[in-house]
Amino acid sequence: GAVVSQHPSRVICKSGTSVKIECRSLDFQATTMFWYRQFPKKSLMLMATSNEGSKATYEQGVEKDKFLINHASLTLSTLTVTSAHPEDSSFYICSADLQGRETQYFGPGTRLLVL
Amino acid sequence: AQSVTQPDIHITVSEGASLELRCNYSYGATPYLFWYVQSPGQGLQLLLKYFSGDTLVQGIKGFEAEFKRSQSSFNLRKPSVHWSDAAEYFCAVGPGGATNKLIFGTGTLLAVQP
Repeated sequence: GAVVSQHPSRVICKSGTSVKIECRSLDFQATTMFWYRQFPKKSLMLMATSNEGSKATYEQGVEKDKFLINHASLTLSTLTVTSAHPEDSSFYICSADLQGRETQYFGPGTRLLVL
Repeated sequence: AQSVTQPDIHITVSEGASLELRCNYSYGATPYLFWYVQSPGQGLQLLLKYFSGDTLVQGIKGFEAEFKRSQSSFNLRKPSVHWSDAAEYFCAVGPGGATNKLIFGTGTLLAVQP
């Protein structure tokens, strides 16, 4: 149980385009999901907290107009990287909070490469 | 300030040897503590967690961790390491509850030699 998926697992795009990453909780409902960014050989940096039916809460220094988050249902949150640039290339990981267990379960990550 | 420290960036152990990965935290309230493992190019898998009660917790894959409040530590242990345990290990602390934002340590990369 507590499986989280991400799609796509890997994406390559041109500079200036937008990319959407999906995060789904497959066997549980998640009112809260989290989006992280991980640089090579680095720890996870929390980007934002995604709340179902309301606006996401962004961490300091994260551009909300750059990284659009939508949490339209209890099993799906999306992260859209708008007008992507090479510096946005990174590994993006989502997690879903399983209520009652107060534990985050992580997706497998999405590798984004912006050319 | 709230923080998690994993003092060892990289550890190499022989297969079959015992393992201890260190984690120290600084947190204002009673923390919820977690250990996650990440294989290359993958997401994080939960190994174990501590919320309250018995300070020695058992996790998956033969791992255990001990919460020591007096030392602000939550070290991860395994009595006999297998080659498949080679991965990066992250310690994390959070408040629990509805807004369970986690603070992660910088990770410890474990290499296992035959």
